Amino acid sequence: DGGITQSPKYLFRKEGQNVTLSCEQNLNHDAMYWYRQDPGQGLRLIYYSQIVNDFQKGDIAEGYSVSREKKESFPLTVTSAQKNPTAFYLCASSISGPSTDTQYFGPGTRLTVL
Amino acid sequence: GQNIDQPTEMTATEGAIVQINCTYQTSGFNGLFWYQQHAGEAPTFLSYNVLDGLEEKGRFSSFLSRSKGYSYLLLKELQMKDSASYLCAVTLTDKLIFGTGTRLQVFP
Repeated sequence: DGGITQSPKYLFRKEGQNVTLSCEQNLNHDAMYWYRQDPGQGLRLIYYSQIVNDFQKGDIAEGYSVSREKKESFPLTVTSAQKNPTAFYLCASSISGPSTDTQYFGPGTRLTVL
Repeated sequence: GQNIDQPTEMTATEGAIVQINCTYQTSGFNGLFWYQQHAGEAPTFLSYNVLDGLEEKGRFSSFLSRSKGYSYLLLKELQMKDSASYLCAVTLTDKLIFGTGTRLQVFP
């Protein structure tokens, strides 16, 4: 079955620690995205990548970093510089760019910083 | 700036019809998506409108008017499982912009 996987589903970390969220897809999609979802707010774009070894900042990139070494994988690191990291993080992918292609989402990781 | 408005919450009865509206003011427009999201889960694709008019897909239909910056999602023969949030999202040249979502509760 093709799809997008994110792990873990729930993650707890102490304040000041960096944490990396995993995102893998076997849909052979070129583009991948990371969003953050907070209560009462729409999904906000953190980073996106249209090809391997290239990525662009979204609207709220501060305090986050990404890498795209393989087409299938797009991990997100939440650094200690992120002021309010507790949120639901969603990874998505699409065939090519974001302008017309449908984005398909993974199940999400709920990060809680204590 | 970019602005997408949806009602925050709606309620309806099982078997009824409900219309969820979305208005947008964006710099640029390629198309409009509707996604369904159950609590704590991933958004799932419902529809994509590029041209004006109504697109029907089973119990769900989506309408777009580009000149008015307006779309709606129409859900017919509501079922309890339709209780979820419905996200309106506009595609620009380089990104997808989401509204805050409409939480729909369906009662028996």
